[in-house]
Amino acid sequence: AQRVTQPEKLLSVFKGAPVELKCNYSYSGSPELFWYVQYSRQRLQLLLRHISRESIKGFTADLNKGETSFHLKKPFAQEEDSAMYYCALKNTGFQKLVFGTGTRLLVSP
Amino acid sequence: GAVVSQHPSWVICKSGTSVKIECRSLDFQATTMFWYRQFPKQSLMLMATSNEGSKATYEQGVEKDKFLINHASLTLSTLTVTSAHPEDSSFYICSAVWGVPNEQFFGPGTRLTVL
Repeated sequence: AQRVTQPEKLLSVFKGAPVELKCNYSYSGSPELFWYVQYSRQRLQLLLRHISRESIKGFTADLNKGETSFHLKKPFAQEEDSAMYYCALKNTGFQKLVFGTGTRLLVSP
Repeated sequence: GAVVSQHPSWVICKSGTSVKIECRSLDFQATTMFWYRQFPKQSLMLMATSNEGSKATYEQGVEKDKFLINHASLTLSTLTVTSAHPEDSSFYICSAVWGVPNEQFFGPGTRLTVL
C-alpha cells in the first residue's frame, strides 16, 4: 500500500537556521513525490516536485530511492517560511495523491 | 492562472438535511477533479475522483450514496452530503487537474458544521 510518513508534527527553528522536514514513503512502483505548502489562511499549493529537480523559495528536495525518502531542506530559514508542509506521493501516470500527515514549520525571529 | 474556487466557504446545517458544495475551475477546464476531507490537525484524505461525464470513483470506505458527486461540465464538480450528521462535520477541499505536467490546483476549502 502507498504510504507517506512525516514523523514531525511541529518543527520550530530560529530565523537563519537550516531546516529539514522529513518525509519517508512506502510504495512498490515508481512514484512521483511532491511537497505542498499551506500558509496561514491560504489554500494548499505545490512547492516542488522531484522530477523538476529545482529550487523553489530556497527549498530543495532530493528523492532517495534507497532510503525511500524525500526530505525538504532549506539552508537558511526565513520567518515567511512558517507554514504547514505536506509531502505527497502519486503513481507515475496517475493523478491520485497520497498525503502525509504534515509538518508545521515555525520560524521565529 | 489555474484558480479553483469553492462555494460556499462555510456552511452550517441541521442534522438530516443535505448540503451541496461546488468546486469550479475558473480559468481552465478540468476533466478530473478530486474531493478531499480534512479533519482538524490531520492530513487530507482523498474521498473520490470526479470525472467529467462519467461516474465518480470513490475511495474505499467512502459511502457513495452519502457523498454524491456530479461533474457535469469541464469547470464544475459538486459534492452533495446527503442526510448530514454531526460526524460529517469537516473541512472539504477540492482540486482540479491541469497543465503539463499535470498538477492539482486546490480550492480554498469548505467548512461544514452539522448541528
